[in-house]
Amino acid sequence: ILNVEQSPQSLHVQEGDSTNFTCSFPSSNFYALHWYRWETAKSPEALFVMTLNGDEKKKGRISATLNTKEGYSYLYIKGSQPEDSATYLCAFSTDSNYQLIWGAGTKLIIKP
Amino acid sequence: EADIYQTPRYLVIGTGKKITLECSQTMGHDKMYWYQQDPGMELHLIHYSYGVNSTEKGDLSSESTVSRIRTEHFPLTLESARPSHTSQYLCASSERRYSAHTDTQYFGPGTRLTVL
Repeated sequence: ILNVEQSPQSLHVQEGDSTNFTCSFPSSNFYALHWYRWETAKSPEALFVMTLNGDEKKKGRISATLNTKEGYSYLYIKGSQPEDSATYLCAFSTDSNYQLIWGAGTKLIIKP
Repeated sequence: EADIYQTPRYLVIGTGKKITLECSQTMGHDKMYWYQQDPGMELHLIHYSYGVNSTEKGDLSSESTVSRIRTEHFPLTLESARPSHTSQYLCASSERRYSAHTDTQYFGPGTRLTVL
């Protein structure tokens, strides 16, 4: 059974601090890794999709890295702001499965 | 801003009732999905469609059914609602039929269903 683990489950961060969290996935037959942000009362929105080992993507203060050989991705947020409060979901797919397998998310709360 | 809509947003209904959750997208996307999600848990794929007249069951066993008669419309039906169906249901779409593992999925706002 393919499984995605996200840690920590939840995280409280002081406004202005930087933070990071992890998505772990099976490394065999890897195809793609997605990060989504899901704010309360809104729809999940795509942040990044990465396919190559060593990929690094950036959008403003948020960046992500990918290690397909050891099966993990990190999401970094620099200088956290209240609007960064959300649940961050990762999902991966294999080269034999067209569907995404999702983690349970990391809930990030930014304290002013 | 994604153009994908779900109705109703909230539904409280009694056991045994038939319900249909509506999902529509105006982006002309081929692939559509229904996910079920309980608080703090993963999104579980319950149904998907590659395009018109295509429907497939997802990884999570579900007593619901879906149809795809038009590209833009992908309703989900529960013939007889039970308390175990209480959950959040998210509809999503992606552009291409067979590239779902790299394509961005666009999500609707969800339907929160409570069965009493």
